[in-house]
This record gives sequence, C-alpha cells and structure tokens, in this order.
Amino acid sequence: SQTIHQWPATLVQPVGSPLSLECTVEGTSNPNLYWYRQAAGRGLQLLFYSVGIGQISSEVPQNLSASRPQDRQFILSSKKLLLSDSGFYLCAWSADYNTGELFFGEGSRLTVL
Amino acid sequence: GENVEQHPSTLSVQEGDSAVIKCTYSDSASNYFPWYKQELGKRPQLIIDIRSNVGEKKDQRIAVTLNKTAKHFSLHITETQPEDSAVYFCAASEGGSARQLTFGSGTQLTVLP
Repeated sequence: SQTIHQWPATLVQPVGSPLSLECTVEGTSNPNLYWYRQAAGRGLQLLFYSVGIGQISSEVPQNLSASRPQDRQFILSSKKLLLSDSGFYLCAWSADYNTGELFFGEGSRLTVL
Repeated sequence: GENVEQHPSTLSVQEGDSAVIKCTYSDSASNYFPWYKQELGKRPQLIIDIRSNVGEKKDQRIAVTLNKTAKHFSLHITETQPEDSAVYFCAASEGGSARQLTFGSGTQLTVLP
C-alpha cells in the first residue's frame, strides 16, 4: 500500500533562517506531488506541485521554493524565513494527473519567531 | 480562476441531528467536487466526492448534492455522532484533476453529546 511521510512534524525557526521540509511517498511510482499551506480560516492553499523529477510549478509568489530530486521525494525550502511563513504545511500526492483524490501527509507545523 | 466559498465556518449540532455544509463555486467549467474531513491533529482525508454528471451521491450517513445551474454543492451528514466532529473542506476542480483543486475555507463541525 502507498504511504506518505513528511518531517519534521514541528519546527520553530528564527526569522532569516533557512527551511527544509521533506516529504517522501512509498508504494507508488511517478506520483504527482503537492505542497499546501493551511492557514486558520483560509482552507488549503496550493503552493507547489510536481508531475515529475525536476518539474516544479508554483501557484503563488512567495518566499518559498520546492524541489523534487527523486521520483518520490519532494522538498519545501526557504533561504530566509519571514514571520509570515509561519503555518501548517501539508505534503500530498495523487496517483494520476486526472485523478482528483489527494493523499496527505501528517503535516508540519512551522513557527517563525 | 476558481473561487470556492464555504458556509458556515462553524457549526454545532446535537448528537443525532443532521448537519449541512454548503459551498458555491465560480467556474462553470468545474466538474469534480470532493469533500475532505480533517480531525483534530490529523491529516485531511477524502470522505466523498461527486462529478458533474450526477446530482447526488450517498455513502451511509453522508451525502453530497450538486446543483450545476446554481453552482453550489452541499454535504449532508445524518444521525451525527461525536466522531463526526472535525473540520470539513469542500473543493472544486476544473478537469477533475487534483492539481486544479480549489478548496473552501473549511467548516468546524462540533457534535454535542
């Protein structure tokens, strides 16, 4: 069966420090991968998605970037965190470009101080 | 782009009563409408979805209805139980793919014993 893991689960970082959140999927190949941010009262906002290694699409301009160095690995990064980057970040995968169901990771709570 | 409005933002019901959450969407090309449930501290999970070629879909105590003319869809939960307490997100997608999902802002449902 397919599983998705992301880490760390919680992270407290000072303003201006770098960020790296990692997500891996097991049990499937060539998944579509996504990074979402969940803000209170604002639902799930798509930040990045990837349909293959090295292929990244950004949905909103921001201080963050994403990379996909391997088929089942998706990384969310920042060189210098801002206070506004605080939030709950969710990695997700879907099996096919035309398949609607998303499978989410456990989430990472980022607090920037 | 697509815009999804979800109401109410919070909903409290007595155990055994029904709960209804409503969403409206703006893009008439949207044709896939999933609902995700996120229990406290857990990841969102798909509970039911509907495509534009049907008007209603049921799965035990939950049902979703779709009115394409009015561009709105609703989640109905009957005989609510304490374990139904969670945040529920609606979403809409043009083309039916996860990449194009736009989420509503979420509804916090509390089932009172």
